[in-house]
Amino acid sequence: EEQLVQSGGGLVQPGGSLRLSCAASGFTFSNTWMTWVRQVTGKGLEFVGNINQDGSVINYMDSVKGRFIISRDNTQKSLYLQMSSLRVDDTAVYFCARDPGYSAFDNWGQGSLVTVSS
Amino acid sequence: DVVLTQSPLSLPVTPGQPASISCRSSQSLVNNHGDTHLHWFHQRPGQSPRRLIYEVFNRDSGVPDRFSGSGSGTDFTLRISRVEAEDIGIYYCVQASYWVTFGQGTRLEIK
Repeated sequence: EEQLVQSGGGLVQPGGSLRLSCAASGFTFSNTWMTWVRQVTGKGLEFVGNINQDGSVINYMDSVKGRFIISRDNTQKSLYLQMSSLRVDDTAVYFCARDPGYSAFDNWGQGSLVTVSS
Repeated sequence: DVVLTQSPLSLPVTPGQPASISCRSSQSLVNNHGDTHLHWFHQRPGQSPRRLIYEVFNRDSGVPDRFSGSGSGTDFTLRISRVEAEDIGIYYCVQASYWVTFGQGTRLEIK
């Protein structure tokens, strides 16, 4: 079964850091783009950024540039989101998703709640 | 940035009746290569989103054939021929012709 299992998340103070992980199984992880999407509670979905198969191309939404880093380890079949200088408005559920092409996300993780609050 | 506007935002439907969700783009989604990258997702309460339709009209494996996607240019539609109770949740359109943007979502509820 193709699966994405997320870990990480939690409560962090403004200005703090947090790392999310997304472990893949059941498919060839190194062959696919991967994406992070977030959802503020009760709100819609927002594209955070993505990374290509070998990690040489990474894109970010404007509001997280310089603060978030997306990376991957194909040997561990894992995707990461390192978040720093966190702000209250970064509070959201963060999903990892597999991107078979053109953001047609066909497999999603279960989501990780990140709460930024003092 | 491309803005996707969905309507209605709330959609109460009687089981067995049809439903239709519109997704309008602020600009044509036909990109420089002549492709249109518009997809539809469904999110049930407390769950992750699930893809229903990709590239405008291609239905995913396991998605009932009462779901269909259509449209071109700036206007796209998701149709459900006969709504069932399991269809509740929020439906999102997503475009990837120019960067990536989501519609604001349409909440379908059962009357």
